[in-house]
Amino acid sequence: GAGVSQSPRYKVAKRGQDVALRCDPISGHVSLFWYQQALGQGPEFLTYFQNEAQLDKSGLPSDRFFAERPEGSVSTLKIQRTQQEDSAVYLCASGLKTGNWNEQFFGPGTRLTVL
Amino acid sequence: QQPVQSPQAVILREGEDAVINCSSSKALYSVHWYRQKHGEAPVFLMILLKGGEQKGHDKISASFNEKKQQSSLYLTASQLSYSGTYFCGTEYPTDKLIFGTGTRLQVFP
Repeated sequence: GAGVSQSPRYKVAKRGQDVALRCDPISGHVSLFWYQQALGQGPEFLTYFQNEAQLDKSGLPSDRFFAERPEGSVSTLKIQRTQQEDSAVYLCASGLKTGNWNEQFFGPGTRLTVL
Repeated sequence: QQPVQSPQAVILREGEDAVINCSSSKALYSVHWYRQKHGEAPVFLMILLKGGEQKGHDKISASFNEKKQQSSLYLTASQLSYSGTYFCGTEYPTDKLIFGTGTRLQVFP
């Protein structure tokens, strides 16, 4: 079956522009996570959904970052008034929590460059 | 709070073994291991739970010491395809993963 897909794969934005990054999780996966990965670093947690409910947004760096998953499947991460420090790869992961197992499967990421 | 991995980098010849360690300062619920190749998404390798259960790749093994809050990933008879950066991800009772500092592994013929 299809894995997690993300679009666009690459995005170049001018400082101050708004951007929207899309994630299509694996069908049937209840959990959806967004991570930010700077060059040479590990992924850093941004936010987490279970179905349409955003259960944890403690990792969002500022109120310019907003995520939604209105119907419990596709999710969008929106960044308003982009800044240069927002340049990173944004990874989406979906997960199927079965009992104690909570595997996460990652999409290819969107590389955002803010000029 | 970020787990610390050691070593930071490993260079191997094909067929050699390696151990990658992951230490946390907080009590852990589970440990996940991922491998990421340059420009690609992290790929799931293993998950280890408190109590000893584990699930993952046939050719890779790992351990989880709950008392010491440490996990180790064992790569035996390494292959060229093992090259990449390895991350541990620690899961607290919330479902999010906190990823470690990373270990870069290079396997040469």
